[in-house]
Amino acid sequence: DAKTTQPNSMESNEEEPVHLPCNHSTISGTDYIHWYRQLPSQGPEYVIHGLTSNVNNRMASLAIAEDRKSSTLILHRATLRDAAVYYCILRDTFNKFYFGSGTKLNVKP
Amino acid sequence: AAGVIQSPRHLIKEKRETATLKCYPIPRHDTVYWYQQGPGQDPQFLISFYEKMQSDKGSIPDRFSAQQFSDYHSELNMSSLELGDSALYFCASSPQGYNGELFFGEGSRLTVL
Repeated sequence: DAKTTQPNSMESNEEEPVHLPCNHSTISGTDYIHWYRQLPSQGPEYVIHGLTSNVNNRMASLAIAEDRKSSTLILHRATLRDAAVYYCILRDTFNKFYFGSGTKLNVKP
Repeated sequence: AAGVIQSPRHLIKEKRETATLKCYPIPRHDTVYWYQQGPGQDPQFLISFYEKMQSDKGSIPDRFSAQQFSDYHSELNMSSLELGDSALYFCASSPQGYNGELFFGEGSRLTVL
């Protein structure tokens, strides 16, 4: 049921920006795009979500393509604490919320 | 602020035994989700409830059952435990509506020997 596609892994240098892509070509007009991250043996943590417009919060920015078939999570300055698995998930009007295979982000000092 | 509470945090059981995991959502959250995460795996959706009614069902084995009670807490019951049931079980809650974020608990680690 996963409707998103993400790279298996990415690497970044500390204090540099990171752009994590997600493809969701079958997204419907009412699906919200959510991003969560998970550290080992911890519960997933909410990062950001949006519908059509780009979103910013204290953790990250979410850039949504005009056709909504893809989105990018932007961490403006990666820190070692940002090393985690990042999941892009679509939440629909039926409240379905399925994890796909996320992106494991490695941050190098 | 109150978070999602899961209990117990750790549980060790023998094969063929039963186990019950509990989830206490954030106050005024009426939607609860259960996920199972095996070692090195992504979280797999098991089941969800909205206003005490099952709203969606995923890859939950027939040996498992769950319900949401009048105070909105939820319990996941697992019977005839198998070694493969060893995993982290996460509960998440969400307020009414589908446009909000999910709040996850710390998880319950089940080990089946």
